[in-house]
Amino acid sequence: GAVVSQHPSWVICKSGTSVKIECRSLDFQATTMFWYRQFPKQSLMLMATSNEGSKATYEQGVEKDKFLINHASLTLSTLTVTSAHPEDSSFYICSASSGNTHYEQYFGPGTRLTVT
Amino acid sequence: GQNIDQPTEMTATEGAIVQINCTYQTSGFNGLFWYQQHAGEAPTFLSYNVLDGLEEKGRFSSFLSRSKGYSYLLLKELQMKDSASYLCAVIDSNYQLIWGAGTKLIIKP
Repeated sequence: GAVVSQHPSWVICKSGTSVKIECRSLDFQATTMFWYRQFPKQSLMLMATSNEGSKATYEQGVEKDKFLINHASLTLSTLTVTSAHPEDSSFYICSASSGNTHYEQYFGPGTRLTVT
Repeated sequence: GQNIDQPTEMTATEGAIVQINCTYQTSGFNGLFWYQQHAGEAPTFLSYNVLDGLEEKGRFSSFLSRSKGYSYLLLKELQMKDSASYLCAVIDSNYQLIWGAGTKLIIKP
C-alpha cells in the first residue's frame, strides 16, 4: 500500500518551454502533497505544500508563478515548470500524505528534468 | 531557527555495525523519521519515533531521546546495498517536516 507514482520519470526540454509533472497516489487519498527539488549531492529542498482544492503554500524563495502547482483531486497533483531554464534542471520529487499515519510522507520515484 | 545536524559522510565495512547520529533543534516536536535514499532515487521510509527509546526493525534500529534532541539510526550486519544517504527529518509543532541534509554512508568490502 501507499504507492505514489510520478510521470514522466525523466524529461528533456528546450529552454523557454514548459514542462508538466504529474504525481498520483495510487491506493490512498492524499490530503496533502509535497513537491521537492534535489540538486546533485544535495538534500531535499521543499518547494511547496498543497492541500486538495486549495492553493499551494510555497517555501521562501520559490517562485509561485514559475512553478505552478495544482492539486485538483485527492489522488493527483501537478507541477508545471514554466519557461524552463537550464538552472531548473534538477530531480523533482513529489510525496503524499494521507494525514493518518504519523504524517508520514510517501515518495514518488522522482522526475529528472534536463533543460537544454 | 530550526536545525537538524547529521554527519555528511560515513564509511563502514561490510558485515559491521554503524550508527548515524542526528541532533535537532526545532520549534516543537511531533516525531522523527529516518529515510533511506539511494543515488538517483526517491527516499524510502525506514522508521518513525515519537517516544523515547529504541525501535528495532530487522537489521535497522532507531533511537530517540527527546530531552536531548537526539536520535540515531543503527545499521547491523551491513551489506553493500546499504550504501545510500540516510535522511533524518523532524515534524515540528506546525506539523511541518524539517529535513536534515542527509548522511552519505559508504560501505566497503
